[in-house]
Amino acid sequence: EIVLTQSPGTLSLSPGERATLSCRASQTVSSRYLVWYQQKPGQAPRLLIYGASSRATGIPDRFSGSGSGTDFTLTIIRLEPEDFAVYYCQQYGSLPYTFGQGTKLEIK
Amino acid sequence: QVQLQESGPGLVKPSETLSLTCTVSGDSISTSYWSWIRRPPGKGLEWIGYIYYTGSTNYNPSLKSRVTISVDTSKNQFSLKLRSVTAADTAVYYCARGGAYMDVWGKGITVTVSS
Repeated sequence: EIVLTQSPGTLSLSPGERATLSCRASQTVSSRYLVWYQQKPGQAPRLLIYGASSRATGIPDRFSGSGSGTDFTLTIIRLEPEDFAVYYCQQYGSLPYTFGQGTKLEIK
Repeated sequence: QVQLQESGPGLVKPSETLSLTCTVSGDSISTSYWSWIRRPPGKGLEWIGYIYYTGSTNYNPSLKSRVTISVDTSKNQFSLKLRSVTAADTAVYYCARGGAYMDVWGKGITVTVSS
């Protein structure tokens, strides 16, 4: 199975700054079949990005995804207070589908 | 607005069967794939499997021997059964819409395996 490694484990930034989250796969993720989710405490995960770079419905354009092969990035420009949460990547190119362990984005 | 709600016992004894149901509102279950995912305490998310409304399923090989996902189109629900549970099955269990990736999730239900 494809193992996804997210880095850093925790990212401490201030509102207004830019966040760069990494997701590295142990094997090539076919056809850029990778998504990003945001999860806040006590809430359901929220789909942000699918197909590595397409924003889901209603997601602000300050969120963007990029990458291919084994290296993927989620970038959040101009952090808003509501963006501080845990972010997960997931690949759906190969069964079994797998998730990264998450990056916690916290307020500095 | 599509909503999913998990229901079932919050406590299951070791060696017994964990049974959860997901009720879908705002969408017909006969239009999509539906999935179960879990998050053990202190760990990341784990894909359990998915079902299409026709009954076609796909499971994570690590759980395949113990898992059954079923669908009841008349009730707009789908269900998860996990047999022979151990403490390692303690987790927050989520149901979600989608097979490959999930665009709408339930809030999750905490299930503890303990005697």
